[in-house]
Amino acid sequence: DAGITQSPRHKVTETGTPVTLRCHQTENHRYMYWYRQDPGHGLRLIHYSYGVKDTDKGEVSDGYSVSRSKTEDFLLTLESATSSQTSVYFCATNRDTGQPQHFGDGTRLSIL
Amino acid sequence: GENVEQHPSTLSVQEGDSAVIKCTYSDSASNYFPWYKQELGKRPQLIIDIRSNVGEKKDQRIAVTLNKTAKHFSLHITETQPEDSAVYFCAATSNSGYALNFGKGTSLLVTP
Repeated sequence: DAGITQSPRHKVTETGTPVTLRCHQTENHRYMYWYRQDPGHGLRLIHYSYGVKDTDKGEVSDGYSVSRSKTEDFLLTLESATSSQTSVYFCATNRDTGQPQHFGDGTRLSIL
Repeated sequence: GENVEQHPSTLSVQEGDSAVIKCTYSDSASNYFPWYKQELGKRPQLIIDIRSNVGEKKDQRIAVTLNKTAKHFSLHITETQPEDSAVYFCAATSNSGYALNFGKGTSLLVTP
């Protein structure tokens, strides 16, 4: 969907380790987003990007950082993973604000 | 962040019946309202969307209505089928204008 690839698809790691998730898109969409999905909470926005090197915080940004050095890639980094960051992470993109967001297949991250 | 409330959290209907899911939003500036369907273990997929200048939109068995004055919008599925069973999410554009605020989801079960 919209040529969005997330990697890795699954990851298990230990508390305190750094983790980087990658979102790669081939649609040349300007806007990219990272969400986390947890039972009972739906989808919550972590960070988003409105262009290369242009990012901003979402609702649940504490403990996360992002980078976007080129249009097609949006990286999400957990500097020191905690068990509360165990979740399914989705990347989404759209061409412009008010346009449909399309999602990647998600990354299931478990922090032990 | 802005709130999107979604009801009910679970809904069970018999095949052939109609299903209605309702959402309310708080930001009067919200102008785009998509609905997503998510099957177990899959990514959210856009099924229909509506903009603030339109009151109703239909696509085969699916329709969405929007009442901007009351700040609520609804998803209507007619002639439900077992393959309609999934979690449905409503969303509304946030005050940033870029991202979406999601409801917590409705788990729809269609029994044969």
